Amino acid sequence: QKEVEQNSGPLSVPEGAIASLNCTYSDRVSQSFFWYRQYSGKSPELIMSIYSNGDKEDGRFTAQLNKASQYVSLLIRDSQPSDSATYLCAVNKRSSASKIIFGSGTRLSIRP
Amino acid sequence: EAGVTQFPSHSVIEKGQTVTLRCDPISGHDNLYWYRRVMGKEIKFLLHFVKESKQDESGMPNNRFLAERTGGTYSTLKVQPAELEDSGVYFCASSQGNQDYGYTFGSGTRLTVV
Repeated sequence: QKEVEQNSGPLSVPEGAIASLNCTYSDRVSQSFFWYRQYSGKSPELIMSIYSNGDKEDGRFTAQLNKASQYVSLLIRDSQPSDSATYLCAVNKRSSASKIIFGSGTRLSIRP
Repeated sequence: EAGVTQFPSHSVIEKGQTVTLRCDPISGHDNLYWYRRVMGKEIKFLLHFVKESKQDESGMPNNRFLAERTGGTYSTLKVQPAELEDSGVYFCASSQGNQDYGYTFGSGTRLTVV
């Protein structure tokens, strides 16, 4: 079992709709959770971080965390073509060293 | 503020040769990380420096890989001798203090071993 699991996609969403990206993690002691966006050929860019159960909103992005279910999600409202990218879920495992563990990413495509 | 800088951006070498990748973290960032993404796989952790000390090198594939961070500033990652399976994109990232706030990544070095 992978430590951080994501559906690889591609996920195709019409422009203006809500894109929903999901991630599960295996280690219950994980403390910090991140969403990175990576455009093709570019480096990952941090877009959201979340540390406690519930929702965290930042502009068009909402991160949701449910530690009991070991589940993290990212919602993108009013999707734009510029949101088309690979979205990486990442988890900080406090139980070990301070490294962040990445999922394999979900490729999101926003169709005009 | 300058970001994390990596050099070179691309490198094509023959199997058996040596390659050295360089990373300049954001000034003042004590934490420096190396990650690698091979084709079709997730970004995998290689190692973590705190200043000049190796905090965690559990992700280093084998002893052909050597990372250094002399003086706690820039870091180098040497692959000697390179093998075909070493091909991929090598990312460097840095963070200041509490890494709970995530990392800032460099643009990566695409290494191709032929």
